[in-house]
Amino acid sequence: AQTVTQSQPEMSVQEAETVTLSCTYDTSENNYYLFWYKQPPSRQMILVIRQEAYKQQNATENRFSVNFQKAAKSFSLKISDSQLGDTAMYFCAFTIGLTGNQFYFGTGTSLTVIP
Amino acid sequence: NAGVTQTPKFQVLKTGQSMTLQCAQDMNHEYMSWYRQDPGMGLRLIHYSVGAGITDQGEVPNGYNVSRSTTEDFPLRLLSAAPSQTSVYFCASSHRQGVSPLHFGNGTRLTVT
Repeated sequence: AQTVTQSQPEMSVQEAETVTLSCTYDTSENNYYLFWYKQPPSRQMILVIRQEAYKQQNATENRFSVNFQKAAKSFSLKISDSQLGDTAMYFCAFTIGLTGNQFYFGTGTSLTVIP
Repeated sequence: NAGVTQTPKFQVLKTGQSMTLQCAQDMNHEYMSWYRQDPGMGLRLIHYSVGAGITDQGEVPNGYNVSRSTTEDFPLRLLSAAPSQTSVYFCASSHRQGVSPLHFGNGTRLTVT
């Protein structure tokens, strides 16, 4: 079975500080893709970052970066220089490469950036 | 560039009523899907399609029906609404199944009374 666990339901961070959101997953597949999505109060689902499991190098997108530990099946998201606009629900997800018919989502972490 | 267009944004139904949630994408994506989002449960797959004329069930298909007559459109039908179907529904599409990220519509908040 494919599962995603986000063990931090809620987190907060001071503006301009750094915060790390945790995610672990479970799959017996070797080829898969990992994602972080952001859902602000507007309800829109926005792609934050993507990581290919076959790549050892951690993905980065501006202030967002991941710490991908394949052996530990861990995929944490680091947000640097937090901004008020980062306040949102964050979902970790993965899909099985090529044959994957669905994305598997975690239950989300609600992040609040405090001014 | 519209992306994924989902209508309506809000809907209230009475138990037993039926309705169709509309979804259209203009990115020529072969893969389309419907998810429901419930508090504390993340997003769960209802149905998906890998191309026109091809649909299949996801994790929570009961009470829902889909069809895919064109590449662009993927409507979701609630056959006889139940309070357990109160949720937020997202349509999403992907360029390449199993590789590319999902592009989401803006969601539909459905309440069944």
